[in-house]
Amino acid sequence: KAGVTQTPRYLIKTRGQQVTLSCSPISGHRSVSWYQQTPGQGLQFLFEYFSETQRNKGNFPGRFSGRQFSNSRSEMNVSTLELGDSALYLCASSNRTAANTGELFFGEGSRLTVL
Amino acid sequence: QKEVEQNSGPLSVPEGAIASLNCTYSDRVSQSFFWYRQYSGKSPELIMSIYSNGDKEDGRFTAQLNKASQYVSLLIRDSQPSDSATYLCAVNLWGYQKVTFGTGTKLQVIP
Repeated sequence: KAGVTQTPRYLIKTRGQQVTLSCSPISGHRSVSWYQQTPGQGLQFLFEYFSETQRNKGNFPGRFSGRQFSNSRSEMNVSTLELGDSALYLCASSNRTAANTGELFFGEGSRLTVL
Repeated sequence: QKEVEQNSGPLSVPEGAIASLNCTYSDRVSQSFFWYRQYSGKSPELIMSIYSNGDKEDGRFTAQLNKASQYVSLLIRDSQPSDSATYLCAVNLWGYQKVTFGTGTKLQVIP
């Protein structure tokens, strides 16, 4: 069974640009969560999607957005990049029901560097 | 107060010893609790989940939950150098589609 796939793995952008990251969950998993990981802040929750609906959002500015498609694949977008957006962005899928938050299975992450 | 708190470490233990990792959480309605292991340069991987008070054992790992004290711990018996990693505690509130992580405890197992 294939795991969670994230693309691209590495990318370098400059301030003011935008970036789109992609995540394909484990087959059959309908929930996708996104996290930002930095050395100082640890894993910070960005948002969670289930059946194309955003069910929860973390405390990030509106420059961070996401969506989920009917095949459960998800994308997140960061517009007007800032230096502080440099981080590892992790996607996690879960076999969760509508109410129960199940166990998370992480992809390898997309490492974003903003210059 | 942070939602999930862990001592950042490093926690150093000799090979073969028991490593004890601790975590406290602030929200009394937290329902699901998890331990993840993250090796340097890798993504987190789930090693234990626990949902009710008491102990849950899986091989060399034992998770302990005390909801009254808002405390969850992970014991690693017969620690091996391969256990050297950062251990992340995570909690979830029933009905809230958000898993909150602590900042992790770095464990070093000395051969």
